[in-house]
Amino acid sequence: NAGVTQTPKFQVLKTGQSMTLQCAQDMNHNSMYWYRQDPGMGLRLIYYSASEGTTDKGEVPNGYNVSRLNKREFSLRLESAAPSQTSVYFCASSVFGYEQYFGPGTRLTVT
Amino acid sequence: GNSVTQMEGPVTLSEEAFLTINCTYTATGYPSLFWYVQYPGEGLQLLLKATKADDKGSNKGFEATYRKETTSFHLEKGSVQVSDSAVYFCASADQSGGSNYKLTFGKGTLLTVNP
Repeated sequence: NAGVTQTPKFQVLKTGQSMTLQCAQDMNHNSMYWYRQDPGMGLRLIYYSASEGTTDKGEVPNGYNVSRLNKREFSLRLESAAPSQTSVYFCASSVFGYEQYFGPGTRLTVT
Repeated sequence: GNSVTQMEGPVTLSEEAFLTINCTYTATGYPSLFWYVQYPGEGLQLLLKATKADDKGSNKGFEATYRKETTSFHLEKGSVQVSDSAVYFCASADQSGGSNYKLTFGKGTLLTVNP
């Protein structure tokens, strides 16, 4: 099992550009999550999907959209990137909210 | 909502020293509690967990006991190794009110262990 995979691993964008971060899990988990990690801030939840077909906002959803494409895949889209979105983005999955399993992260820089 | 407070780092220890990283939580219910570890350049990995009061989670020589009376879940290890150098995150999962899909994380504590 690959666990949770994320693509790309690194990305540099210019302000105003758009991009989609991809996440997939092969553990048959119901719930999936997107976090961002910034120095001194810990992990902050952007969006989550409790089960296939549902998505909900987390703590910091502004500037982002998500799609739960199927049970395996959960993507995060930045429509118009801003420097404040420079961060490390982690995807995670779990069985109904218990221990979460994390991907390796995407390091995004917006210039 | 829930909140998690853990001691600020960085923490620097010599190999074989005793480690404690403090973590306290606030919650409306009785949350499950977790410690995650993040090695440089990697994602978070679950280190240990406890789901009810007085439970002790343990893994790789690390331990933490769920203390309801002090709302704490302190991480301890008797003898740290250089390979334990990482960032440690305390987290809680509130299982009340239908909000059992989310974890609340502390800000993380950077541990550096010197030979």
